[in-house]
Amino acid sequence: RKEVEQDPGPFNVPEGATVAFNCTYSNSASQSFFWYRQDCRKEPKLLMSVYSSGNEDGRFTAQLNRASQYISLLIRDSKLSDSATYLCVVPRTDKLIFGTGTRLQVFP
Amino acid sequence: DVKVTQSSRYLVKRTGEKVFLECVQDMDHENMFWYRQDPGLGLRLIYFSYDVKMKEKGDIPEGYSVSREKKERFSLILESASTNQTSMYLCASSLPGPPGNEQFFGPGTRLTVL
Repeated sequence: RKEVEQDPGPFNVPEGATVAFNCTYSNSASQSFFWYRQDCRKEPKLLMSVYSSGNEDGRFTAQLNRASQYISLLIRDSKLSDSATYLCVVPRTDKLIFGTGTRLQVFP
Repeated sequence: DVKVTQSSRYLVKRTGEKVFLECVQDMDHENMFWYRQDPGLGLRLIYFSYDVKMKEKGDIPEGYSVSREKKERFSLILESASTNQTSMYLCASSLPGPPGNEQFFGPGTRLTVL
């Protein structure tokens, strides 16, 4: 089993839609989790951190399910500018393990 | 704003050449990282450094070496470039502490080895 697994997508959704991505991780000892966003041909940037059961920031909600070892990212009222690849990231000892990313395309 | 810069956005080299990729950060971060990003494989850690003169192997160090002579600069060296090292190379830096500290990435160098 990969350390971090994501559905690669693409998820194609209309503006205004709600979309959710899941990410599963294998290390049950992980305490913190992150979502990074990567625009096309750009570098990844931190979107959200998740330290307990979840975190909400405006239209974005990240939730953690420790029993099932998955993290989800929910985007409400999708905007065209949300089109990007979303990377799930899990720490392992002194490193970060990046998932391969889920691509989101929001269309008008 | 944290700024991480990389010496080139695009680079084309020939098999067997020695290649230097430079990374500079201006926020006095102790930690610096080199990743490569390939389709379907995501970001994979090549080397990292938590201090000047210090280096640690990441998950895929074979064929690479690094140099950290100054705190702000972390160089990735391909001793003898091969075609399977064609990739996007991303440098990152972060504050010291737990691995969950936000990593700030440079714009990347797309290296093509012919």
